[in-house]
Order: sequence, then structure tokens, then C-alpha cells
Amino acid sequence: DGGITQSPKYLFRKEGQNVTLSCEQNLNHDAMYWYRQDPGQGLRLIYYSQIVNDFQKGDIAEGYSVSREKKESFPLTVTSAQKNPTAFYLCASSIPRPDSYHQPQHFGDGTRLSIL
Amino acid sequence: GENVEQHPSTLSVQEGDSAVIKCTYSDSASNYFPWYKQELGKRPQLIIDIRSNVGEKKDQRIAVTLNKTAKHFSLHITETQPEDSAVYFCAASRTSYDKVIFGPGTSLSVIP
Repeated sequence: DGGITQSPKYLFRKEGQNVTLSCEQNLNHDAMYWYRQDPGQGLRLIYYSQIVNDFQKGDIAEGYSVSREKKESFPLTVTSAQKNPTAFYLCASSIPRPDSYHQPQHFGDGTRLSIL
Repeated sequence: GENVEQHPSTLSVQEGDSAVIKCTYSDSASNYFPWYKQELGKRPQLIIDIRSNVGEKKDQRIAVTLNKTAKHFSLHITETQPEDSAVYFCAASRTSYDKVIFGPGTSLSVIP
């Protein structure tokens, strides 16, 4: 059964601690994305990657880091530099096409991060 | 930078009535416009999308219209049902290799 798996579902972080959110997909999608969602707000792009070993900053990359060593995996690290990390984090993937048309994104179930 | 605005932020309708959500975008090079539905605590799911070469697309009770000249697009839900209650996001993007810009969302409540 293909899809995107995010883990853990809930995560707690102490002040000054780095944490890593996992995102794995078996859809054979080249592109992967990380979004942050705050209560009552839309999706803000943190980082995205169109291909293995390459990624670009989104609109709110400060305090976050990513890696893309495998096509299936795109982990997000929330560093201690991110002063307000409490939010719902969503991972997504899609297939970039060589033509001008975009393809829809498929989302994971999300990870809810809270500060202790 | 690129921006997508969405109105209204909240919408309540009686069951059976229609609901309309409107979005405007700033990047004239945008050519793909998806709509996502997010139920409470769940993942966003694509419900319909439209590309710039068409002006309207319909799928059962859901329709989307696009006006490229005015840079706005709208979601229409007819004969609303309680299970339509959710947050709806519009979005816009250029090519397949560009990022997707999401609107802030509309919380739709369908009152039985």
C-alpha cells in the first residue's frame, strides 16, 4: 500500500534540543516537501527537494535543516535556533514533470511537535 | 514574492445550500491551481485541481472556475453535506519544478 509515512505522530522537545522528524515515501516520487502549519493558519513551506542530494529553502527555513540522501527519505531537523517550534509539521511528495504542468502533492499524516 | 489570498476565512452554510470560496494569486506565471480539503487532525487531501488552459472543471458536487485575466479562482460546492465540514486550502504554482503557494485556508461548517 503506497503512501507517505511520518513519524512520530507526537514529539516533545526540551529547550535547546534538536529533534528530527522522519518522512518516508514509497510512491517513487522525486519531489518532497516540508510544511509547517500553525493553528488556524495555512501551510508554510520550510524546505523542498526535487531530486536526491539537492534541496532548496522555502519561506521559513531559518532554524530548520534537511537532508535528501535517498529518494524515499526526507528528514527534517528542528534545531535549537528555531525559537518557536511548536506546530504541526506536514511532509508531502509529488512527481515533477518535464512539461509545464504541476502534479498534485500527496501528504503524510503529520507530526505534532510541542515544547516541554 | 508570490502570494495567494483566500476568502472568507470562515464560512457557515445550511445543509443543502451552496458554498463558494474565492482565491486570488499574485504570480501571473502560475498555471496550476489545486484545492485541498483538511479534516480536523488529518492530512490535506486533493479534491480538485485546474490548469491554466481551462476555465472551469467539475466533479460531481464540486466545481472550480479560473479567471486568468483577473488572477482569481473559486471553489463551488453544491448541495452541501455535514461531511463537507473541513478546512479548504487553495494553492497556485508555476511549473512542476516550482514550489506550491498555499492560501491561508477557509473553515467551512455545514449545519445540519
